[in-house]
Parts: sequence; C-alpha cells; structure tokens
Amino acid sequence: GAVVSQHPSWVICKSGTSVKIECRSLDFQATTMFWYRQFPKQSLMLMATSNEGSKATYEQGVEKDKFLINHASLTLSTLTVTSAHPEDSSFYICSARDGNFEGSPLHFGNGTRLTVT
Amino acid sequence: DAKTTQPPSMDCAEGRAANLPCNHSTISGNEYVYWYRQIHSQGPQYIIHGLKNNETNEMASLIITEDRKSSTLILPHATLRDTAVYYCIVRVGTNAGKSTFGDGTTLTVKP
Repeated sequence: GAVVSQHPSWVICKSGTSVKIECRSLDFQATTMFWYRQFPKQSLMLMATSNEGSKATYEQGVEKDKFLINHASLTLSTLTVTSAHPEDSSFYICSARDGNFEGSPLHFGNGTRLTVT
Repeated sequence: DAKTTQPPSMDCAEGRAANLPCNHSTISGNEYVYWYRQIHSQGPQYIIHGLKNNETNEMASLIITEDRKSSTLILPHATLRDTAVYYCIVRVGTNAGKSTFGDGTTLTVKP
C-alpha cells in the first residue's frame, strides 16, 4: 500500500532556531501534499497545501513566513519552522493523495513531535 | 467540505462488532465519505471510503444511507488494538480536496 514517510519522528530545538521536517511519498508520486498541526487532545488542523513546482497555499491564520513549505519534487515536501518558539511545539503531520483517480484517499506520515525549549 | 457530526466517545467489547456513526447531512453529490483512525501519538491511518455504495475491505465495512446523509463504519470483530480516535471526513474526490478533521469518536475496546 501507499506509504508516506516523515522525518524526523521527533526533534528538540532551542528557541530561535529553525527546524526542517521532510515528508516523502515512497511508492507513489504526489503533486499535492498537506501539512497539519495537532496540539495535545485536539484534532488535526490543516496548515497548508503543498503544490509541486508552485507556491504553497496556507490556511487562514497560518504565517507563511514562519512555516516555509517547499515541494521541489513529486515525492518530497518539506516544512521549515523558522525562528521556532515554545508555542510552536506541536505534532506536525503530512499527508499525500495516493493516485490521481477520483476519490483516491490520503495517506499520512507518522508525524513529527517538535519540542522547542 | 461538508461538516460531519460524530459521537465523542464509544465503548465496545473485544470480539464484538463496533459500529461508529457519522452524520453528514449537508454532503454534496461529488463528495466522498472517508474514514481514518489515529492511534495515540501516530499519524492517521486510512481505513475506507465510499461515494454512494456500501464498501468493504480487509479492515472494515462502510454503510452509506441511500440519501447519503449519514454513514456507519463497522469493525466486525474489534480488538484492543482498534482503540483509537476515528475520524469521518467528507470531501470532494479531486486532488484539490482538502480534508477537514473534526473531533472524531474515541473508540475504546475493552477486554
């Protein structure tokens, strides 16, 4: 089945530094990937849609200059949290759609736990 | 995307069928029903999806009412490992379709 790999699975960084999270589709190509953020005991919140070869589309209230998204190939999207602060500590999850047929489902990475100290 | 309504929590005895309902009364004709689940501290896992017809795979069955305003996910023989948060998502089937997650149903399978 379709596999989405996310790396790293967890990261601890100091306040003010930047952190890059990678999302790869291992056995399929994805022109679109999605990035979510999840705080403890809350549901997933869509942050942005990553489009291969073009700019990402951000949801309302998400700072595009803080959460930089690059989708340089059909199998890789990256999310960079710039100048991270403790309030950015969260669980970040990516997803990609498997296949271009109508209705094809999303598959998710296993998430990245970011802790900013 | 259409909004969905799910009960916040449900319990199920191990070995019994778990029936998880979802209401999506404002669903549009081109919107699919998807079910995912999330085990603690992991990314969501795709379970099943459908448009109009009932669907079955190795994990579960999906029953969609004829008017498509509600659906039920059935786990035929629940195990302790099925304890998770189950999300019912309704979205268009194109690549542009974004998935909006509600609060889901926390299913607890008890021995």
